[in-house]
Amino acid sequence: QQQVRQSPQSLTVWEGETAILNCSYEDSTFNYFPWYQQFPGEGPALLISIRSVSDKKEDGRFTIFFNKREKKLSLHITDSQPGDSATYFCAASHDTNAYKVIFGKGTHLHVLP
Amino acid sequence: DMKVTQMPRYLIKRMGENVLLECGQDMSHETMYWYRQDPGLGLQLIYISYDVDSNSEGDIPKGYRVSRKKREHFSLILDSAKTNQTSVYFCASRTGDQNTLYFGAGTRLSVL
Repeated sequence: QQQVRQSPQSLTVWEGETAILNCSYEDSTFNYFPWYQQFPGEGPALLISIRSVSDKKEDGRFTIFFNKREKKLSLHITDSQPGDSATYFCAASHDTNAYKVIFGKGTHLHVLP
Repeated sequence: DMKVTQMPRYLIKRMGENVLLECGQDMSHETMYWYRQDPGLGLQLIYISYDVDSNSEGDIPKGYRVSRKKREHFSLILDSAKTNQTSVYFCASRTGDQNTLYFGAGTRLSVL
């Protein structure tokens, strides 16, 4: 079963717009949610993460909004740049030191100049 | 500079041949992973290694085996490769006390 779901599968925005990437999960015991960014030909790399005790985490133009009750989170990329074009994976685990990390299928973001 | 190195980057094999994918890391991380990535399916966990000779199946271990004889080195073996094992394979590592995975650049395997 798919424990971490992402939508949309693909998203296109214009440069300067805010891109919103959505993620939901099924297991209410997940408490750590990293987002990974992957450029073509490269492996994923950690972009930003949030723990379930927080409802918001900000790092520059990237912000995670977290709704524990609804088991949903979203990644907002403000002032999107063409260099942000990549695949973004939402992931979940049961703790910050849990071995198993469950990945969503990813959202492919295109930022047009 | 933390680095996970995968070799080879590209590999073409015929169905039935044996395949060895290699991964190395220079961070002395205890835990290492093998994932495969297919279009529309995201990252699927094949195996986890907690340390030398301490390995555990992931979600899709069938058709694969692993070997970890040194902490810095983790191998994925496909005995008698199948065409449905055509994929991009990623190795990753992490320390024991935090959950950031460091990924290699991947090996693109084609099984004809």
